[in-house]
Amino acid sequence: AQKITQTQPGMFVQEKEAVTLDCTYDTSDPSYGLFWYKQPSSGEMIFLIYQGSYDQQNATEGRYSLNFQKARKSANLVISASQLGDSAMYFCAMREGIDTGNQFYFGTGTSLTVIP
Amino acid sequence: DVKVTQSSRYLVKRTGEKVFLECVQDMDHENMFWYRQDPGLGLRLIYFSYDVKMKEKGDIPEGYSVSREKKERFSLILESASTNQTSMYLCASSSTPSPIREKLFFGSGTQLSVL
Repeated sequence: AQKITQTQPGMFVQEKEAVTLDCTYDTSDPSYGLFWYKQPSSGEMIFLIYQGSYDQQNATEGRYSLNFQKARKSANLVISASQLGDSAMYFCAMREGIDTGNQFYFGTGTSLTVIP
Repeated sequence: DVKVTQSSRYLVKRTGEKVFLECVQDMDHENMFWYRQDPGLGLRLIYFSYDVKMKEKGDIPEGYSVSREKKERFSLILESASTNQTSMYLCASSSTPSPIREKLFFGSGTQLSVL
């Protein structure tokens, strides 16, 4: 089974609107971390936001927030007030607490295009 | 500013050539990783290393080998490049032990084309 599933290969959003990028995960470990990365066309992977499995509140970082629904095993990224510079690939990733190899599991990514 | 540096941003090689992709990090990290990124497949782990001269196979090690002679440097080797190895290659590093919240630090990637 896939550890991380991103079901939206591509998304479009109007500039200044909000957009939600979906991510579901699969783990039996009670301790895990969820990450979102942005990859613009330049290729670098930019860390956006982190959510721990024991965190009581949803993570927020500026215009980014994470809609964490633990029972549903989902960790959707919400980008508010979209900007043209938000056009990029977005990857959801998970790290499990039991994994001594420090391996990260990545989804297949969502390509976001912001329309002027 | 912490850095993971990959030696080439773009690389074009011929089928059958031996190819070296180099990665250097300046964060004194123990763990280093090589990922391959293909459209629709996301990032797939090729090899990782948790110490000098140590290596572990990831999900898709076939056709690749790695070398870690120094802590800061992790090389990916394509012994005999093939066209199906045309891809974006990403190097990453992390420290250990580390809290679960510690992220991976990535290089800028190498887009390899094998003709």
